[in-house]
Amino acid sequence: AQTVTQSQPEMSVQEAETVTLSCTYDTSESDYYLFWYKQPPSRQMILVIRQEAYKQQNATENRFSVNFQKAAKSFSLKISDSQLGDAAMYFCATPFGNEKLTFGTGTRLTIIP
Amino acid sequence: DTEVTQTPKHLVMGMTNKKSLKCEQHMGHRAMYWYKQKAKKPPELMFVYSYEKLSINESVPSRFSPECPNSSLLNLHLHALQPEDSALYLCASSQDPRMGQPQHFGDGTRLSIL
Repeated sequence: AQTVTQSQPEMSVQEAETVTLSCTYDTSESDYYLFWYKQPPSRQMILVIRQEAYKQQNATENRFSVNFQKAAKSFSLKISDSQLGDAAMYFCATPFGNEKLTFGTGTRLTIIP
Repeated sequence: DTEVTQTPKHLVMGMTNKKSLKCEQHMGHRAMYWYKQKAKKPPELMFVYSYEKLSINESVPSRFSPECPNSSLLNLHLHALQPEDSALYLCASSQDPRMGQPQHFGDGTRLSIL
């Protein structure tokens, strides 16, 4: 079965510090894509970052970066210089090569001022 | 700005009512989705339309009826809903999910069943 696991239901970080959110997945596919989505309390799901499995280079978007380890099937999200606006639910997700997105259970991130 | 527009933002209805949720996107995306999301949970896929045809129905009860009138518009018709159907309903679209194009989500419709 193709699954996505987020083992941290809740995380908190001091403003301006760095936090890492974990995500692991299980698939027999060799070529796939991975996403991190953010859902603030205002509820719109927003794409944070995208990684292509065939690329060894880790994706980066401003303060957001990933640590993608294909052999370990791990896809963690690092947020640097955390800001109050980063407070949200974060979901790891992948379509596993088809039309359906499989989501992890989410991590609620709190930013401490 | 939200590229996927959902209306209404909030809806309260009785169990005998008939109502519809509307979703619109003008990005030329070929795939459109309906999700149901409960509080603090990930979205659960309900339906997928690809090139205006229903391609996936995740065994959703018939009281939910999707419709895709054209490539930009997606409706979800609601009838005889149950209290457990109260949730946030999200619409999304994607150009080519098989090629890793991400889904773009709307703000959602908060549905409450009395």
